[in-house]
Amino acid sequence: DVVLTQSPLSLPVTLGQPASISCRSSQSLVYSDGITYLTWFQQRPGQSPRRLIYKVSNRDSGVPDRFSGSGSGTYFTLKISRVEAEDVGVYYCMQGTRWPLTFGQGTRLEIK
Amino acid sequence: EVQLLESGGGLVQPGGSLRLSCVASGFTFNNYALGWVRQTPEKGLEWVSDISGNGGNTFYADSVRGRFTISRDNSKNTLYLQMNSLRVEDTALYYCAKEAGSTAYGHLDSWGQGTLVTVSS
Repeated sequence: DVVLTQSPLSLPVTLGQPASISCRSSQSLVYSDGITYLTWFQQRPGQSPRRLIYKVSNRDSGVPDRFSGSGSGTYFTLKISRVEAEDVGVYYCMQGTRWPLTFGQGTRLEIK
Repeated sequence: EVQLLESGGGLVQPGGSLRLSCVASGFTFNNYALGWVRQTPEKGLEWVSDISGNGGNTFYADSVRGRFTISRDNSKNTLYLQMNSLRVEDTALYYCAKEAGSTAYGHLDSWGQGTLVTVSS
């Protein structure tokens, strides 16, 4: 199975400051079609996961442009340019390139 | 607006069975694959199973293969997860999630609110 390792696991951030979460894969996530199926989810307290970013860097509709995804191969990053109070929650990466689908452990973002 | 509403969770003894349902609306149901994902505080998010738009292809995590069966009724816009031989470690909040196409997997672009399954004696 593909193992996704996120860091850090806990991320205290001051409001208005940037934040960055990394996701490292045990195998390349490039599929045979040339596309990399790496997704980022946000889970706010008490809510279901919400997809933020798909195929490494594509933002979902309604996702603020302060969120961005980047990376390739086995190393990926989610960045928040300026953290707002509503960004508090747990962030997960997920790979959809190989069965079984697997998730990272999650990174808990909190306001310092 | 896509809506997914799970039901069927509850308390069951080890070795027992439960069937989860997920009623969908807001999209053309048979055009999209669907999946189940479960969550526990200890293990986080764990993918369980996926099914293609026409129901002809199914996929399972090793941890549930042979015990769980995913199915769908496209006439009722409903996804199911039949869970047999339940174990304590199956205790989790179970979400259904929509994929990006009839045979496009690993996208999970919309999620329901989840239904809680507790396996305990």
